Amino acid sequence: EAGVTQFPSHSVIEKGQTVTLRCDPISGHDNLYWYRRVMGKEIKFLLHFVKESKQDESGMPNNRFLAERTGGTYSTLKVQPAELEDSGVYFCASSLLAGAEQFFGPGTRLTVL
Amino acid sequence: SQKIEQNSEALNIQEGKTATLTCNYTNYSPAYLQWYRQDPGRGPVFLLLIRENEKEKRKERLKVTFDTTLKQSLFHITASQPADSATYLCALEEDSNYQLIWGAGTKLIIKP
Repeated sequence: EAGVTQFPSHSVIEKGQTVTLRCDPISGHDNLYWYRRVMGKEIKFLLHFVKESKQDESGMPNNRFLAERTGGTYSTLKVQPAELEDSGVYFCASSLLAGAEQFFGPGTRLTVL
Repeated sequence: SQKIEQNSEALNIQEGKTATLTCNYTNYSPAYLQWYRQDPGRGPVFLLLIRENEKEKRKERLKVTFDTTLKQSLFHITASQPADSATYLCALEEDSNYQLIWGAGTKLIIKP
């Protein structure tokens, strides 16, 4: 069984540009989560999808971040326009049930210059 | 204020000994607490989950305790091996939502 995959693994962009991160959860997992880890800080929750619906997006930092999960399969996280403080590692996770163990992808390392 | 604290300094343990990692929390009412392992360049990997009404959970060489009075969870690795070297993260979830709230992690180094 394939695990959670994320693309790209690394992204380096200029301040003001747009970046789109993609996450493919484990097949059959209705729950999909996005997290971010800024250098030297703990992992922070961004949002939670149940199928295609946003269950909780209270962790999204501001309206420059837009997450979608059309069709309830893969998800994208778009940052537009990117700022320096958006640099960090973005993790995606999925779970069969909400509140159950979460399976994480390898993360996308975003660097905004 | 709310916070989760894990030892920020690396923990060095001799191979074969028991490693004990601590997770303390303040001003949270967790429904349960999870422990994850993270290796460099990889995402966290789930290890154990313990609920608020459970005192202890075991899985092979791993043991987790949860004391809601002390607001603390302890994570033990018995008969430690160099392959156990990694960063260990605790995360809690409150009843009201399904957000995982994370500690910063403790780096564990098992010396041969």
